Amino acid sequence: AQSVTQLGSHVSVSEGALVLLRCNYSSSVPPYLFWYVQYPNQGLQLLLKYTSAATLVKGINGFEAEFKKSETSFHLTKPSAHMSDAAEYFCAVTGGAGGTSYGKLTFGQGTILTVHP
Amino acid sequence: EAGVVQSPRYKIIEKKQPVAFWCNPISGHNTLYWYLQNLGQGPELLIRYENEEAVDDSQLPKDRFSAERLKGVDSTLKIQPAELGDSAVYLCASSTHSGGTYEQYFGPGTRLTVT
Repeated sequence: AQSVTQLGSHVSVSEGALVLLRCNYSSSVPPYLFWYVQYPNQGLQLLLKYTSAATLVKGINGFEAEFKKSETSFHLTKPSAHMSDAAEYFCAVTGGAGGTSYGKLTFGQGTILTVHP
Repeated sequence: EAGVVQSPRYKIIEKKQPVAFWCNPISGHNTLYWYLQNLGQGPELLIRYENEEAVDDSQLPKDRFSAERLKGVDSTLKIQPAELGDSAVYLCASSTHSGGTYEQYFGPGTRLTVT
């Protein structure tokens, strides 16, 4: 079965600092990968997605992620954090090995990002 | 374009009572999902519909949970009877597979509190 591991349940950065949120997936076949953001009392909003095209994916709000097959990673970065980036971030995977349906998303546990002034 | 609509947004019930959640997906999205999100965790799939057909309900606790998607548009998720452990956020999402992107769009969720 697919699985996603997000290293660090809480990440704290200063405003203007680099944001790095880590995500590793388990699959011998590259799946489709997604990053979602969730603000308090809201649903999940898609930040960006990897679907086997360019390995460096740019998303909304200045975020980007790089797919690295050799490391089975899809880490999320943003060069300069803003106060409005404070939220919970989820990495998710679909498809890949084991015949996992491309319709089923498996989520990581989430990383809460705190941004200090 | 309107997003995924869910109601109610919040629900408080006593244990052993029934409860129902409603979801209206994005127009034209043939796939609809119900997820359960416990506090501090990622969403977990309960059931997935392709049009009217439930194609993946393996994670749905069928002794107390039921769902339907009549006419392949709106969907209702029901719990009867509710237990304390059912307190969570219930998320609905929809997608279309045209273009092969498989990205899912989420509603705001229904936060259920069972007392």
